[in-house]
Amino acid sequence: KAGVTQTPRYLIKTRGQQVTLSCSPISGHRSVSWYQQTPGQGLQFLFEYFSETQRNKGNFPGRFSGRQFSNSRSEMNVSTLELGDSALYLCASSSLAGKETQYFGPGTRLLVL
Amino acid sequence: GESVGLHLPTLSVQEGDNSIINCAYSNSASDYFIWYKQESGKGPQFIIDIRSNMDKRQGQRVTVLLNKTVKHLSLQIAATQPGDSAVYFCAETLEYGNKLVFGAGTILRVKS
Repeated sequence: KAGVTQTPRYLIKTRGQQVTLSCSPISGHRSVSWYQQTPGQGLQFLFEYFSETQRNKGNFPGRFSGRQFSNSRSEMNVSTLELGDSALYLCASSSLAGKETQYFGPGTRLLVL
Repeated sequence: GESVGLHLPTLSVQEGDNSIINCAYSNSASDYFIWYKQESGKGPQFIIDIRSNMDKRQGQRVTVLLNKTVKHLSLQIAATQPGDSAVYFCAETLEYGNKLVFGAGTILRVKS
C-alpha cells in the first residue's frame, strides 16, 4: 500500500505570495492532519480534516487554511507569505477520526525569500 | 506554539547497547501517546504507540513505558544499531480527534 504522498517536495516563494500544498493520504484513510516543523518551534499542529470537515485547528493565523476533498486528498494554503513561514510542512493520515496511528508523508520544504 | 524546545538533547550510545529515550508530556488528560523516528530529510516514522490504560507495550526491539503519575514516557531500544540514528519524538493527544502535541525531540547517535 502506498504511503502518504505530498507535492511539491520543495518550493521557493517570495514574501507576499501565496502557496498551495497537496497531500494524498494512504488509501482508505479518511483523516488528514497538517503540521509545521521549524527548528525554532518544532512540530506544531495546523489542522485536521475528516470527511471534508475541519475537526481541529491549531494556533495559527487565518492566513493558513485547508480543505479536504471527497477522495480524502487535502490541500493547505498559506496566503501573504512571511519569512517565518519557511518550514517543513508535513501531512499525516489515519484511518479513523480519533486517536489512531497517524502516518506521515515526506513533507514539503517551503522557503520564503 | 505548543511544541517548545528546541535545544535538542543528544543521546550517544555504542552499537549493540540498549538506548533509553525519555519524554515528559504536558497534559495529565492525554490518553494516547506515540513515538516517532525522524531521519534527515524524511517525515516522522511511526515506531510504537500506547494508550493510557496500559503502562508498557513492546514491539520489535522497542518498548514504551508510560508513567502517568509523573507524566513520563520512555522509549527503550534494544541492541541499538547504526540505522537507529535519528531524532526521536514523543507525541500526545490532548483532544478528540487526531491533534498531536509533540515533544522537542531527542537526537540518538549510534557509534560503531
